[in-house]
Amino acid sequence: DAKTTQPPSMDCAEGRAANLPCNHSTISGNEYVYWYRQIHSQGPQYIIHGLKNNETNEMASLIITEDRKSSTLILPHATLRDTAVYYCIVRPSSGTASKLTFGTGTRLQVTL
Amino acid sequence: ETGVTQSPTHLIKTRGQQVTLRCSSQSGHNTVSWYQQALGQGPQFIFQYYREEENGRGNFPPRFSGLQFPNYSSELNVNALELDDSALYLCASNIGHGGSYNEQFFGPGTRLTVL
Repeated sequence: DAKTTQPPSMDCAEGRAANLPCNHSTISGNEYVYWYRQIHSQGPQYIIHGLKNNETNEMASLIITEDRKSSTLILPHATLRDTAVYYCIVRPSSGTASKLTFGTGTRLQVTL
Repeated sequence: ETGVTQSPTHLIKTRGQQVTLRCSSQSGHNTVSWYQQALGQGPQFIFQYYREEENGRGNFPPRFSGLQFPNYSSELNVNALELDDSALYLCASNIGHGGSYNEQFFGPGTRLTVL
C-alpha cells in the first residue's frame, strides 16, 4: 500500500478554514485518497475521498494535485467540534479486502 | 437506521485469559473489519469478513480469530492474552460487492485492558 505523510499537529482558529496537507508520492493509478477523522474516544468517521478530481461534500473539500502526489483536506469554517485526529489514507478501488491502512494522522486543535 | 454497535465498551482481563468482543454491523452491510488501536497510534487492520468468510488479514498472530454470523454480526476472539493486547478494538462495516467496496462505518470501540 502507498504510504502517506502528514504533519503531526496543527492549530486553527474557530471560523477560519483548516487546510490539512497530505503527501502520498508513491500513490498508484488505481488508488484513491480517503480522509477519516477520529474525535476523542470515538471510532473513525469517514469524511471524503477522491481519485484525481477535486471533491466537495457537506463536511469538507478535497484538493488533489495534478500529479496526485499530494492532497489537501479543507474544512471551510472550522468549529470546536472539528478538533480531532485526521487521517489521510490511500487505498485501491477494489481488492481482496477493503482494509484501511492508518498512519498516525494530524491532530487538529481548533481554538476560540 | 442503526449504526455499528460494539460490546462491551470496556473490559479488563488478565494475561493468559481469552476474550470475545462483539460487533453488530450497520443495517444492510455484509462486510465487517476489525482494527486494533494502541494508545497514540492509528488503527491497525486485523482482518475482514465478507459473507461469513475471512476476506483478508493483517499482521496479527493466529490467536486473533473471528466469526461473522448470517445476520452479519461479528465476533473477535483473542486467546492467550498478552499485555500488549491492551488497546481499543474497533469494528467497521460496509457494503462489499465482490472485489469493490464502499466507505467503512466504525463503531465506538471496546477498550480492552490486560493486566
